[in-house]
Amino acid sequence: ETGVTQTPRHLVMGMTNKKSLKCEQHLGHNAMYWYKQSAKKPLELMFVYSLEERVENNSVPSRFSPECPNSSHLFLHLHTLQPEDSALYLCASSPRDSYGYTFGSGTRLTVV
Amino acid sequence: AQKVTQAQTEISVVEKEDVTLDCVYETRDTTYYLFWYKQPPSGELVFLIRRNSFDEQNEISGRYSWNFQKSTSSFNFTITASQVVDSAVYFCALNYQELLKGFQKLVFGTGTRLLVSP
Repeated sequence: ETGVTQTPRHLVMGMTNKKSLKCEQHLGHNAMYWYKQSAKKPLELMFVYSLEERVENNSVPSRFSPECPNSSHLFLHLHTLQPEDSALYLCASSPRDSYGYTFGSGTRLTVV
Repeated sequence: AQKVTQAQTEISVVEKEDVTLDCVYETRDTTYYLFWYKQPPSGELVFLIRRNSFDEQNEISGRYSWNFQKSTSSFNFTITASQVVDSAVYFCALNYQELLKGFQKLVFGTGTRLLVSP
């Protein structure tokens, strides 16, 4: 276990479905992140939350909706996705007083 | 602009061979951190090393070693006597966000897939 837990590990959803990805950390970190990893592309930062406040949104389509109810939990709500949204979605957290991320194991999403 | 380039898409070696993964970065910041992560088939990103821009000493950790050269903006990673378990995708990343702002940004390279065969 890495300290950052993501569920589910795999998800297959239709384009009209609504689903949510969950990320949980109990490392005492103050910032949490969503990254998207598509095949043969660099990891793309999607959203950043610092102390439960969204501080970064990298032009992500509105069909992705993040939520950070507290500093330990982060969600990514998905609705009306497209097949090109199929990817590995990685959650990460970082501490306030040192550099470096801890990543979760990711959710492999397939949109059909 | 911040950028990390890993020119080697895939490398195949036979067990016990040494292999070097290249990483070249671009940044205008004087203070930054460089990272290497390993991504095994299971998907999680495993932290390997962090190096700050003021520390150019090479580092060795078991079979792993890192060569940081600011003059060429490179941070290369060498695995000595490779093993099958080293097979994974390796990412180099550049952190350029000041810690005082409460969060960090990492810019990743496209990764190098290392295949170690028996």
